[in-house]
Amino acid sequence: QVQLVESGGGLVKPGGSLRLSCTASGFIFSDYYMSWIRQAPGQGLEWVAYISNSASTIYYADSVKGRFTISRDNAKNSLYLQMNSLRADDTAVYYCAREGSLDYWGQGTLVTVSS
Amino acid sequence: QSVLTQPPSVSGTPGQRVTISCSGSGSNIGSNFVYWYQQFPGTAPKLLIYRNNQRPSGVPDRFSGSKSGTSASLAISGLRSEDEADYYCAAWDDSLKVFGTGTKVTVL
Repeated sequence: QVQLVESGGGLVKPGGSLRLSCTASGFIFSDYYMSWIRQAPGQGLEWVAYISNSASTIYYADSVKGRFTISRDNAKNSLYLQMNSLRADDTAVYYCAREGSLDYWGQGTLVTVSS
Repeated sequence: QSVLTQPPSVSGTPGQRVTISCSGSGSNIGSNFVYWYQQFPGTAPKLLIYRNNQRPSGVPDRFSGSKSGTSASLAISGLRSEDEADYYCAAWDDSLKVFGTGTKVTVL
């Protein structure tokens, strides 16, 4: 069965960095585009970034452009989100999801940016 | 920032039919497929409708999607208590993916 498992969340100070990982199983990871989506506490869903299966196409939300970097390692069935210059408003649960339709989501990992 | 507008809440009694609207523009809903997601508190969203009106396997046929112009709708017929959740629409807008503002469905 398809599984997506995020890790790497935690508490970080404003201006700090964090790297999230998403490990995929149950499908041919290298065939699928992937996205990161986040949800601030008590708020709605916000798409963050998207990467094609070969990493040749990458898109970012304006709110994270220049600070976040999405990447993938198909050999390791893994998706990453490098987050730099973190701000308080980046505090959220971060989900990875399989593209096409966002038909499968991970359980999410909480990132808290606070001093 | 959401550019798809949904009503904050809708409610209905068991067995009723409720609809959730999703209003966008020509660059998103007007040009691309619409997707709908259901989310229960503390859990990840689940795909409910893809490509405007297609249901993934396992999604009851009580849920249906439609699109007209720059707006879309999700209908829930035969409302059940377990349908009480948050619902989000989504669509591509050029190279950005946009989600709706979200709608809380309450079963009275």
